[in-house]
Amino acid sequence: AQTVTQSQPEMSVQEAETVTLSCTYDTSESNYYLFWYKQPPSRQMILVIRQEAYKQQNATENRFSVNFQKAAKSFSLKISDSQLGDTAMYFCASLSNSGYALNFGKGTSLLVTP
Amino acid sequence: DAGVTQSPTHLIKTRGQQVTLRCSPISGHKSVSWYQQVLGQGPQFIFQYYEKEERGRGNFPDRFSARQFPNYSSELNVNALLLGDSALYLCASSFWDTSSGNTIYFGEGSWLTVV
Repeated sequence: AQTVTQSQPEMSVQEAETVTLSCTYDTSESNYYLFWYKQPPSRQMILVIRQEAYKQQNATENRFSVNFQKAAKSFSLKISDSQLGDTAMYFCASLSNSGYALNFGKGTSLLVTP
Repeated sequence: DAGVTQSPTHLIKTRGQQVTLRCSPISGHKSVSWYQQVLGQGPQFIFQYYEKEERGRGNFPDRFSARQFPNYSSELNVNALLLGDSALYLCASSFWDTSSGNTIYFGEGSWLTVV
């Protein structure tokens, strides 16, 4: 089974600054997928970024990028130029290539302040 | 294109009753999964269906059941509701191809309150 750990229950960042959310995971699979989802107060789970484990290049989506360290089983999310609309819960999740269930961490609550 | 759609968005049920939640995946997606998210926690996997077949089941009691229809929409049924079933139920639609791998999108969820 895969486990995902998010060690930061809450974080705060000022508008326009950069923040990094941490995630570690445990898996015995050789290939798998990693995801970051954003869940604002509306509770819809929004896909932020995804990474395939066999791709060494870190994924990037506009202001969002990841630092994927496969050997360390670490998958952190960097948000640049933080905006008030980035305030939300952020969940890290893993999916094995042969599996079907996303395994979620407990989430990090991010507050962006003016 | 429409995203993953779920209905109803909110509902209140009494203990012991039964509930049916519905989900329509993104057009072209053949896989639908269901997750339960209780307040303050990450979502927990309940079921996945692909091409109308159950591919996986999480650690939930037999009171929970689901099915997928020929148009790939899905229903989640929960019988004999307990107070602890109160949660946000999320439906996810997924698509896999050789170029982009596996991508999973969620609907807005169905809020179930059991009183």
